Amino acid sequence: DTGVSQDPRHKITKRGQNVTFRCDPISEHNRLYWYRQTLGQGPEFLTYFQNEAQLEKSRLLSDRFSAERPKGSFSTLEIQRTEQGDSAMYLCASSSTDRSGTEAFFGQGTRLTVV
Amino acid sequence: QKEVEQDPGPLSVPEGAIVSLNCTYSNSAFQYFMWYRQYSRKGPELLMYTYSSGNKEDGRFTAQVDKSSKYISLFIRDSQPSDSATYLCAMSALRNAGNMLTFGGGTRLMVKP
Repeated sequence: DTGVSQDPRHKITKRGQNVTFRCDPISEHNRLYWYRQTLGQGPEFLTYFQNEAQLEKSRLLSDRFSAERPKGSFSTLEIQRTEQGDSAMYLCASSSTDRSGTEAFFGQGTRLTVV
Repeated sequence: QKEVEQDPGPLSVPEGAIVSLNCTYSNSAFQYFMWYRQYSRKGPELLMYTYSSGNKEDGRFTAQVDKSSKYISLFIRDSQPSDSATYLCAMSALRNAGNMLTFGGGTRLMVKP
């Protein structure tokens, strides 16, 4: 079990560019979540998948954001036309509906800086 | 007013001290309570998970939940410099609902040798 893996760890981009992040969940986990965390704040929910189906999107997820989980394994989060306000840590987490409890295990995050 | 309130700190203690970290919340539907530890520029790491009211102990860590007061605590005994991190409380109304976790803003803890 290698845990939740995210790539890249850091991304610096110019305003207006598109960026894509990848998340590989714990292998037996069927649920995958994206959260965003800004400095000094707790993580805020963005969206989640159960297998390949995207079941919920937060109102924080504007039209410039899109997430996919095409085969129910890894997931990508794309931000189009980035803005400075998108600068944050993007966290991926996973869990299994087979496990008891609500434990969500987080990855190390992708830190995005929009300049 | 945020649903989950947490003093941001920083909380500075000497090595070996007992640390008390707390969160208050307003949503009486919350039943599942978690504490995460987050080192600088890393992702949150799950430390403790409790359901409903009561205490749970794991090594040097004890989590307490008082639903009547809407107050949860994490105690760290014999604190170590390696405990220096930001501690996030999180809670949820439903079981296995990682999409419904509401986090506090985190308390930064510094344990000085």
